[in-house]
Amino acid sequence: AQSVTQLGSHVSVSEGALVLLRCNYSSSVPPYLFWYVQYPNQGLQLLLKYTSAATLVKGINGFEAEFKKSETSFHLTKPSAHMSDAAEYFCAVSEEDSSYKLIFGSGTRLLVRP
Amino acid sequence: EAGVAQSPRYKIIEKRQSVAFWCNPISGHATLYWYQQILGQGPKLLIQFQNNGVVDDSQLPKDRFSAERLKGVDSTLKIQPAKLEDSAVYLCASSLGQPNTEAFFGQGTRLTVV
Repeated sequence: AQSVTQLGSHVSVSEGALVLLRCNYSSSVPPYLFWYVQYPNQGLQLLLKYTSAATLVKGINGFEAEFKKSETSFHLTKPSAHMSDAAEYFCAVSEEDSSYKLIFGSGTRLLVRP
Repeated sequence: EAGVAQSPRYKIIEKRQSVAFWCNPISGHATLYWYQQILGQGPKLLIQFQNNGVVDDSQLPKDRFSAERLKGVDSTLKIQPAKLEDSAVYLCASSLGQPNTEAFFGQGTRLTVV
């Protein structure tokens, strides 16, 4: 069965610092992987997705993520944090064996200090 | 392109009462999801529809929750009777239904059971 683990429920960085949000997945077959962002009182918005075309995926707002099969990881990074990046970030996985249902991790809240 | 529409945005009910949520997905999207997001947690899939058929409802508490998707378009999620632990945000999402396409989310309905 597929599952997603996000290490660190809260991550705090200074403005301008590197952002690294961790995601590890469990899947018996090559999965599809997604990162979503959620601002307060809003739905989820897609940041980026991995669909096997390239292991390094670039998304919106300067975020990118690298798929590492050997580590079963899909960590999200951004070189320089901005105050507007403060939000909750969710990693999600789907796979054919599970009818492509979208399974989410527990989320990481990113805090950006001025 | 119009997004996923959900109503109401907020609902407060007493325990043992019933409540219904409505979702209008993006036109042409075959797959529709209902998620429950409890405060501080990631979204949990309640039910997934493909057109008007149920693909997965393994985590839907069927003794009190029900959902339908009329003519493969709009969907309603009902809770009867509600319990205190049902307090959460209920998110509706839709996708084209192809494996590597992302889900688009509505803003959600925040339910408070008192």
